[in-house]
Amino acid sequence: KAGVTQTPRYLIKTRGQQVTLSCSPISGHRSVSWYQQTPGQGLQFLFEYFSETQRNKGNFPGRFSGRQFSNSRSEMNVSTLELGDSALYLCASSLRLDRDNEQFFGPGTRLTVL
Amino acid sequence: DQQVKQNSPSLSVQEGRISILNCDYTNSMFDYFLWYKKYPAEGPTFLISISSIKDKNEDGRFTVFLNKSAKHLSLHIVPSQPGDSAVYFCAASAVYGNKLVFGAGTILRVKS
Repeated sequence: KAGVTQTPRYLIKTRGQQVTLSCSPISGHRSVSWYQQTPGQGLQFLFEYFSETQRNKGNFPGRFSGRQFSNSRSEMNVSTLELGDSALYLCASSLRLDRDNEQFFGPGTRLTVL
Repeated sequence: DQQVKQNSPSLSVQEGRISILNCDYTNSMFDYFLWYKKYPAEGPTFLISISSIKDKNEDGRFTVFLNKSAKHLSLHIVPSQPGDSAVYFCAASAVYGNKLVFGAGTILRVKS
């Protein structure tokens, strides 16, 4: 069974640009969550999607947005990039929404903003 | 405002000895706790969890202890192996759904 895949793996952008990251969950998984990992901050929750609906949102500005498609694939978008957006963006999928359901993480997309 | 804190950025342990990783939380609504392990260039992988109705959960070499009154949990790895060298994240959950609140992580180095 293929794991969670994220594309691209690495990305370099400049301030002010926008970026779209993609996540393909494990086949059959309907829940996708996104996290931002920065040194010293751990993983910070961005948002969670289930059946194409955003079910939960973290404390990030409106420049961060996401969506989920009918095949459960998800994208997140960051507009007007800032230097502080440089981070590893991780996507995790699970079968259902309930928290006892193990989340499986992808390898992440490393975003560098210059 | 870090609701989950891992105060030790790194820990170095000799192979065969016990590794103890600590985690403190401030939100009394947290009632489900997890540990994840992360190798470089890979996503975190689930290691072990504990519900607040328990104070201990074991899985092979890994044991998680929960002290609700102190809002503290710890992960014990016995015996430690070089392959355990990774970043360990503590995470907590309080509501229905998958929203997890993570600590900053502790780098564990197991020396052979």
